[in-house]
Amino acid sequence: DGGITQSPKYLFRKEGQNVTLSCEQNLNHDAMYWYRQDPGQGLRLIYYSQIVNDFQKGDIAEGYSVSREKKESFPLTVTSAQKNPTAFYLCASGPGLAGAPYEQYFGPGTRLTVT
Amino acid sequence: GESVGLHLPTLSVQEGDNSIINCAYSNSASDYFIWYKQESGKGPQFIIDIRSNMDKRQGQRVTVLLNKTVKHLSLQIAATQPGDSAVYFCAESRTGSNYKLTFGKGTLLTVNP
Repeated sequence: DGGITQSPKYLFRKEGQNVTLSCEQNLNHDAMYWYRQDPGQGLRLIYYSQIVNDFQKGDIAEGYSVSREKKESFPLTVTSAQKNPTAFYLCASGPGLAGAPYEQYFGPGTRLTVT
Repeated sequence: GESVGLHLPTLSVQEGDNSIINCAYSNSASDYFIWYKQESGKGPQFIIDIRSNMDKRQGQRVTVLLNKTVKHLSLQIAATQPGDSAVYFCAESRTGSNYKLTFGKGTLLTVNP
């Protein structure tokens, strides 16, 4: 998992509540990513950021929001508009355009359960 | 549509045998491929990658083969060990995609002692 921290490991919320997942990296990486993983499926990209103060929607951005105010941090908010928020959420970081743009290194993940 | 898929969802091998995990992709413009290993409840770990200008790349006990003609990628693990038991994902990217990775659904490798 390298220098990527996600907290907490398990998170429980009631339906209708917004929840923010933390992702911090100390690898001095420019790029950061958020993925969602559901059972029996691969990873799907939610949002990504290639540089501070900039981010782009991935394939399944609806119901999610992000910010990138610091290089080290890329928090993900799961809003009440997300219809099926229960999933395993993975954060990744990589050198981005300044280095090897394809490389991504993953954190340990946060398992979110919404009831 | 554009996709990265796997031939087999599960693979069971005996300890010491070689394992081969396959992956098919559909976009001929894909020019970068990567394999990840994910143990239960953890984040994926980088194993090996390969660019489209190569047919083969070797790492420690692992080899990735790329056949661009049939759009097929494989990961070979030599002398498979119980610690190799995990889900293996292939992913692809291509120039012009903002370096985004598209992941396959994964193959569960089980190593029997």
